[in-house]
Formats: sequence, structure tokens, C-alpha cells
Amino acid sequence: DQQVKQNSPSLSVQEGRISILNCDYTNSMFDYFLWYKKYPAEGPTFLISISSIKDKNEDGRFTVFLNKSAKHLSLHIVPSQPGDSAVYFCAASADRTGANNLFFGTGTRLTVIP
Amino acid sequence: DADVTQTPRNRITKTGKRIMLECSQTKGHDRMYWYRQDPGLGLRLIYYSFDVKDINKGEISDGYSVSRQAQAKFSLSLESAIPNQTALYFCATRWGDEQFFGPGTRLTVL
Repeated sequence: DQQVKQNSPSLSVQEGRISILNCDYTNSMFDYFLWYKKYPAEGPTFLISISSIKDKNEDGRFTVFLNKSAKHLSLHIVPSQPGDSAVYFCAASADRTGANNLFFGTGTRLTVIP
Repeated sequence: DADVTQTPRNRITKTGKRIMLECSQTKGHDRMYWYRQDPGLGLRLIYYSFDVKDINKGEISDGYSVSRQAQAKFSLSLESAIPNQTALYFCATRWGDEQFFGPGTRLTVL
């Protein structure tokens, strides 16, 4: 069973508008969440993360929101730029300092239209 | 130069052949990982290693083996490749919370 789910395989947004990418998880033991960005022919690169003790983390144009009761997190990109066009993966971990590893979602392909 | 490199970048092989995918890193990280990516399934963990003497199976290790030759090198082998091992394979290192991925190897098994 997929423990981390991204139900939207693709999203198109106009340049300058907000992009919202969603992620749901099923394992209540997950306590650390990350977003990775992947361009074609490259490996995923880390974008932003959030610990379960927070409900929001912001880094420039990128903000991640965590709703633990709903087991849901979202990534907001404001304003969206054409260079943001990529596949975005949500990932979760049950023990950020220990042996537990990352579980990845299936990815959402974001296209920002100029 | 890239911190995590993978060779080859692309490989086409036939069913039953033995294949080795290689990963090298210059980041000095102890933890290394092998993932595969399939359409609609995201990245799934095959094997991981916390140091040269510590190797662990991941979510989908059947049909694969690994070798940690040195801190900097972590190889993935398919002893007898089959078509459903056709996928994009990523190597990664880890430091703290963050994983650093290589560019991937696209493997096609005919």
C-alpha cells in the first residue's frame, strides 16, 4: 500500500499565480515531511521540509503546510515561475534521526505557463 | 563535478543477463541508498547502507543485490534481469534529514 499519496498526477498554473500541490499520508508515525523537485534527466533535489511539531514552514516563494489531524500536507509556490515546471515528490519519514527511511509519493508534474 | 554520480546513465539489456549499476559520491556521507522509479509508483527503496559493513534490504529488494565497496561506492546488481525491472534507478546519499540524489540510470530489460 502506498503510504504517501499524491492524487494529482499533473497541475497547470499561469505564471505569477499560486501553485498548490497536495499530499496525503496514512502512517500516523510519520513525523517529518519533505518535498523534492525533479527536472527531466536529473535526480530529485531537496526543496523544503517540515517537522510534525510545526504546521507551517516557509522558504522564499515556497511554503509547506501540515495538517496532522487530516494527515495532509501541501506545498504552495507563490508566485509561480516557468522555472518551477518540474515533477514534485512528497516524502515522509517516521524517525528523522534514526534508521527509518523516506517514503515517497508518486509525484505531481507542475507546468507553469508563461 | 556532480557530488553523486551514476554509471551507466542508460542501459539496454536482455532477459537473464547480469547487470551492475554503479554509484559514487564525493560528499563523504556514510548513508547510501538505491531507489527505483516507475510510472505511477514514485520512488521505492531497494537497498540502503549506513556504512561499509551495514547493508539493509528496503521495500523491494527481491531480484537485486548490492555491494558497498567503500564509503564512496555503492553498487546495485541484477543477477538475472527480467523485463519488470525496467525502470529508472536512483542512487542517493543522506546527511541529516536530506537525501542527495544522483542523476539516475535508465535501465531497459528486453
